[in-house]
Amino acid sequence: DTGVSQDPRHKITKRGQNVTFRCDPISEHNRLYWYRQTLGQGPEFLTYFQNEAQLEKSRLLSDRFSAERPKGSFSTLEIQRTEQGDSAMYLCASSGKRDTQYFGPGTRLTVL
Amino acid sequence: QQQVKQSPQSLIVQKGGISIINCAYENTAFDYFPWYQQFPGKGPALLIAIRPDVSEKKEGRFTISFNKSAKQFSLHIMDSQPGDSATYFCAAKNYGGSQGNLIFGKGTKLSVKP
Repeated sequence: DTGVSQDPRHKITKRGQNVTFRCDPISEHNRLYWYRQTLGQGPEFLTYFQNEAQLEKSRLLSDRFSAERPKGSFSTLEIQRTEQGDSAMYLCASSGKRDTQYFGPGTRLTVL
Repeated sequence: QQQVKQSPQSLIVQKGGISIINCAYENTAFDYFPWYQQFPGKGPALLIAIRPDVSEKKEGRFTISFNKSAKQFSLHIMDSQPGDSATYFCAAKNYGGSQGNLIFGKGTKLSVKP
């Protein structure tokens, strides 16, 4: 499968715990995006990388959120001190020269 | 401030009918308008996209109509099938611009009745 992959697919955690998600983009894509989607809403932008550089961050990305893409390949999104309001689907997308964004299957986070 | 407004929120169509979903945008810098299809528990999948140099684009049963002056675009699904039952999202961005993210509408849940 050469699409965008995300791990884990589901995560259940207790409030206050830290969680980390991983995204592996399509191999030749240099741009990587993180979005958050809550029930009944469209995806909302969190942050964007071009190669290893983090170029944009949404104001939705509070200080408890951090994202990295250390070698310009896979990316991680960490949420520290999770809150119930963090419960959502976290989506990763990647794009190449044509700028079309392809999404992964998402990680469903539930904070108890 | 929502930059892409999508309607209707839900839509029920009979098999074989035409499904029409509408979107309106505010930012005149937007010049790339994709539509995504999402099934429950899955990520959004690109369906079809248009840039404002054309007023219509067709791929199979799916057509985007674009009205630049009205800042509106719509998705038409011809001969709708039960397998088309999903949530559809319109989106917009400044193609190739420094701002990389897509701005999504709130989605339309389509149900196609057999």
